[in-house]
Amino acid sequence: DAKTTQPPSMDCAEGRAANLPCNHSTISGNEYVYWYRQIHSQGPQYIIHGLKNNETNEMASLIITEDRKSSTLILPHATLRDTAVYYCIVSGGSNYKLTFGKGTLLTVNP
Amino acid sequence: NAGVTQTPKFRVLKTGQSMTLLCAQDMNHEYMYWYRQDPGMGLRLIHYSVGEGTTAKGEVPDGYNVSRLKKQNFLLGLESAAPSQTSVYFCASIRTGPAYEQYFGPGTRLTVT
Repeated sequence: DAKTTQPPSMDCAEGRAANLPCNHSTISGNEYVYWYRQIHSQGPQYIIHGLKNNETNEMASLIITEDRKSSTLILPHATLRDTAVYYCIVSGGSNYKLTFGKGTLLTVNP
Repeated sequence: NAGVTQTPKFRVLKTGQSMTLLCAQDMNHEYMYWYRQDPGMGLRLIHYSVGEGTTAKGEVPDGYNVSRLKKQNFLLGLESAAPSQTSVYFCASIRTGPAYEQYFGPGTRLTVT
């Protein structure tokens, strides 16, 4: 699986959009970009995934650059409950195993 | 629809004791995984299963055994617990397809003294 690089921490004001970046410059053609988050003491939660096109669901939007070497997860209106560690993971093909790295600690401030 | 459940939620063991962690899912998924998470670290895959009756080793399988006798259940066993196995254990059930989404249980917090 391709490696990902995320900032260790970010802050965001409540009600504002949170934009979490991820670099995955070695991504290959059949690999997906996945985002998960983990709120303190809870199990990780699936957020969204994408291959080439931008994706949106009820939780977030995923913007993938045209060269697919980086992506951004957008939480449009962050709330205090969005404070969590966010993991960007690249994986695909026949490998169903996702490797969770250190992620980005997003702190939403009142 | 309960999703993924894990029992027990908490457990304290003494070194050398054994125990079994149970993971159950009601989403009819074929794939199920066991992870451990240690403070300040990401998730590490212990064992996984791609269907009833199948199991395979992940990154850190030593000291653990697993069984998948029923599709909905995935059991993780510690035959002789060691302090190094103090951790939070998460089970995941995977929705497969061109992409795959992992749905996690709430975790089991295990302390080995």
